[in-house]
Amino acid sequence: DIQVTQSPSSLSASVGDTVTITCRASQSINDYLNWYQQKPRKAPNLLIYGGSNLQSGVPSRFSGRRSGTDFTLTISSLQPEDFATYYCQQSYTSPWTFGQGTKVEIK
Amino acid sequence: QVTLRESGPALVQPTQTLTLTCTFSGFSLTTSKMSVSWIRQPPGKALEWLARIDWDDDKYYSTSLKTNVTISKDTSKNEVVLTMTNVDPVDTATYYCARGLRWYDYWGQGTLVTVSS
Repeated sequence: DIQVTQSPSSLSASVGDTVTITCRASQSINDYLNWYQQKPRKAPNLLIYGGSNLQSGVPSRFSGRRSGTDFTLTISSLQPEDFATYYCQQSYTSPWTFGQGTKVEIK
Repeated sequence: QVTLRESGPALVQPTQTLTLTCTFSGFSLTTSKMSVSWIRQPPGKALEWLARIDWDDDKYYSTSLKTNVTISKDTSKNEVVLTMTNVDPVDTATYYCARGLRWYDYWGQGTLVTVSS
């Protein structure tokens, strides 16, 4: 199975900060990497698909990039509603797999 | 409007078989490139992908669970069913169904299943 290693596992940031979360795939997955946001007791919400494509309705402060097997999710100008847990998911080869999550907390 | 809803028992005894149903609307699993998956999340832990069924009835399973899990669909009822045999307390989790082939744009609200005697 393809592993996706997400880092950091948690981070503290302030409103207005720029935050970057990384996922590293265990092998090449082209652009088949997706990002989700999950708030407590809620289902995940798709933010980015195909490495860098912004899902409809998601604010433009969220962006995704790929460099080889490393993928980054960047949140520019963090807003209060962005404090949540973020997951990456690879969809290059079945079985799909998720990263371990990054919890973004208020500093 | 796309919706998905999971249903099933809240409590299951160890070694029993768990059956969960995902009832959806707003799309059809007879449409090309359409797919529904099951994903679970133990309390306080990460998401875990379990299984996927495609419009053409292709099925895919988690490597670690494939001997215990079966996914099926009933297109006439707009339902996808997940069956998990010989459950264990480690299978306690919120179980989600979600729509999508390579990414999930719609999710159900999830159903919490506790495995305990």
